[in-house]
Amino acid sequence: QQKVQQSPESLIVPEGAMTSLNCTFSDSASQYFAWYRQHSGKAPKALMSIFSNGEKEEGRFTIHLNKASLHFSLHIRDSQPSDSALYLCAVRTGGNYKPTFGKGTSLVVHP
Amino acid sequence: GPKVLQIPSHQIIDMGQMVTLNCDPVSNHLYFYWYKQILGQQMEFLVNFYNGKVMEKSKLFKDQFSVERPDGSYFTLKIQPTALEDSAVYFCASRTGTGGAETLYFGSGTRLTVL
Repeated sequence: QQKVQQSPESLIVPEGAMTSLNCTFSDSASQYFAWYRQHSGKAPKALMSIFSNGEKEEGRFTIHLNKASLHFSLHIRDSQPSDSALYLCAVRTGGNYKPTFGKGTSLVVHP
Repeated sequence: GPKVLQIPSHQIIDMGQMVTLNCDPVSNHLYFYWYKQILGQQMEFLVNFYNGKVMEKSKLFKDQFSVERPDGSYFTLKIQPTALEDSAVYFCASRTGTGGAETLYFGSGTRLTVL
């Protein structure tokens, strides 16, 4: 059964900093990797996703995937207080389209 | 952006009673999901649903659970009877499925407390 783990559990950074969030998974056959963001009391919302090894950048956000290491990450450049939220990573294996989620990293960006 | 609406946001019931959680998915979406999150734990897959049928359910989807979407209205999760361990936040999600699109659109969750 797929195991997805996130680190760190929580993170506090100053405004303007680079933030790095990590996600490891156990199934090497995993095919889809995504990050979701959940502000307090709100719905989780998809941020970015990637299918193949490498990097993908969208604005201040970069996702990096290394399948051989069973690891992917999210990097936030110039972190803003509005980025404060719970970040969830999600991994899908096979054709069942039911991603497995990590427990989340709680990010606080202070002004 | 597209929104998934969950009703109610909070529900408190006595153990043994029936409860129905309602989800209004994004209008053109074809695939529907329920996830369960116990406090402090990760969100875990319960069931997914397509074309009027359950596609797959996890071991968390007990015999007391059922899902349906009658006549394209609300996608519902019914628990009958409820147990103390059913206390959790239940998230509904939907996705279009066209073109292989995989992004799930979530509701804000229904917090269920079973006393």
